[in-house]
Amino acid sequence: NAGVTQTPKFQVLKTGQSMTLQCAQDMNHEYMSWYRQDPGMGLRLIHYSVGAGITDQGEVPNGYNVSRSTTEDFPLRLLSAAPSQTSVYFCASGGISYNSPLHFGNGTRLTVT
Amino acid sequence: AQTVTQSQPEMSVQEAETVTLSCTYDTSESDYYLFWYKQPPSRQMILVIRQEAYKQQNATENRFSVNFQKAAKSFSLKISDSQLGDAAMYFCAYRSANAGGTSYGKLTFGQGTILTVHP
Repeated sequence: NAGVTQTPKFQVLKTGQSMTLQCAQDMNHEYMSWYRQDPGMGLRLIHYSVGAGITDQGEVPNGYNVSRSTTEDFPLRLLSAAPSQTSVYFCASGGISYNSPLHFGNGTRLTVT
Repeated sequence: AQTVTQSQPEMSVQEAETVTLSCTYDTSESDYYLFWYKQPPSRQMILVIRQEAYKQQNATENRFSVNFQKAAKSFSLKISDSQLGDAAMYFCAYRSANAGGTSYGKLTFGQGTILTVHP
């Protein structure tokens, strides 16, 4: 059972470079989301999606784009990386219902120099 | 907007003893879910336990139990018979029952508590 698969696990970028963090889930979950984890701040929501073709912003969306062309995939794009985007990124998926726990990928540690 | 506060950045416990991690939250909603997640050094986020706001009975999962005080907006996690494998960062999280808006489906996390278990 793969669950939520995130790639890559580690990435180093130079300021201004772009990249895409991949996220795929095989649990047929409607809800998918991206969080970033920074020391002392817990996890903060970047973008989320409640189904294919539907995305919306979370609390820290600036500098990130997402799309949801299929139920399974929810990539996160950094258009022009900045040092402030150095963080650990998590993709999470779950059912639409609020009592459905989120299942997390193993995270991507991104460093922007 | 909802907020979740974990006031203990670090806690420690002796193996086989009991430890309680604190969590408070602020919300104007009456229906919601609360979760505790564990993050070991592997970085994986693991669901430990969850509690629905409408259920008065405290949730338990083996050695893990919660003390849910809805009026006080408190949701503490008790770990009994602590084991070395319990060492991790623990996050308290809130999920709204209200559909729509920027809070939809969102988990709001506390800052985390690092738990050290001494042999």
